[in-house]
Amino acid sequence: NAGVTQTPKFQVLKTGQSMTLQCAQDMNHNSMYWYRQDPGMGLRLIYYSASEGTTDKGEVPNGYNVSRLNKREFSLRLESAAPSQTSVYFCASIASVGNTIYFGEGSWLTVV
Amino acid sequence: RKEVEQDPGPFNVPEGATVAFNCTYSNSASQSFFWYRQDCRKEPKLLMSVYSSGNEDGRFTAQLNRASQYISLLIRDSKLSDSATYLCVVIFFSGGYNKLIFGAGTRLAVHP
Repeated sequence: NAGVTQTPKFQVLKTGQSMTLQCAQDMNHNSMYWYRQDPGMGLRLIYYSASEGTTDKGEVPNGYNVSRLNKREFSLRLESAAPSQTSVYFCASIASVGNTIYFGEGSWLTVV
Repeated sequence: RKEVEQDPGPFNVPEGATVAFNCTYSNSASQSFFWYRQDCRKEPKLLMSVYSSGNEDGRFTAQLNRASQYISLLIRDSKLSDSATYLCVVIFFSGGYNKLIFGAGTRLAVHP
């Protein structure tokens, strides 16, 4: 099925550990995004990628890095996890301005 | 001022009630408008697009007022299954990418 695939769905990390959240879309979308969602705060943009090979910081980029090696995949890396990064992470993609935004199912990350 | 503002609610309504949500946005260059629905611990999913001419999908009616910079969602004959958080989304093209701006969401709880 077409859509956005996000892994892992659940992860528990110890403070200081690193991990990568993977995201892939098969809809040939140029724009991809990583958001985090915390209770009562809505979706906050971490990083985005307007096209293959380009990435830019969003609203809350500190503590994260991203990689857009090809058009399909956009990964989010936590180099040294902190408890403040406990959150739900969503990957999203869109074809163009007037089109539907597609989301992955989310990754629940807990840092202890 | 937030770029997109919504009343967080919660709106607690009985089954069969009519409920309306409003959302205001600050950027007059905004090009596309949507309502998304998010269930607890799930990803946001498209409910409907919003146009100046207004659009209706069954019990749901959405309206855009560009002059006043707000969008609305009307739900008639509320069902228990309508209980969810409703996100207002505004999109515009800026700085070489599609900028997605989400409201923090309005919670709806429909009770028997």
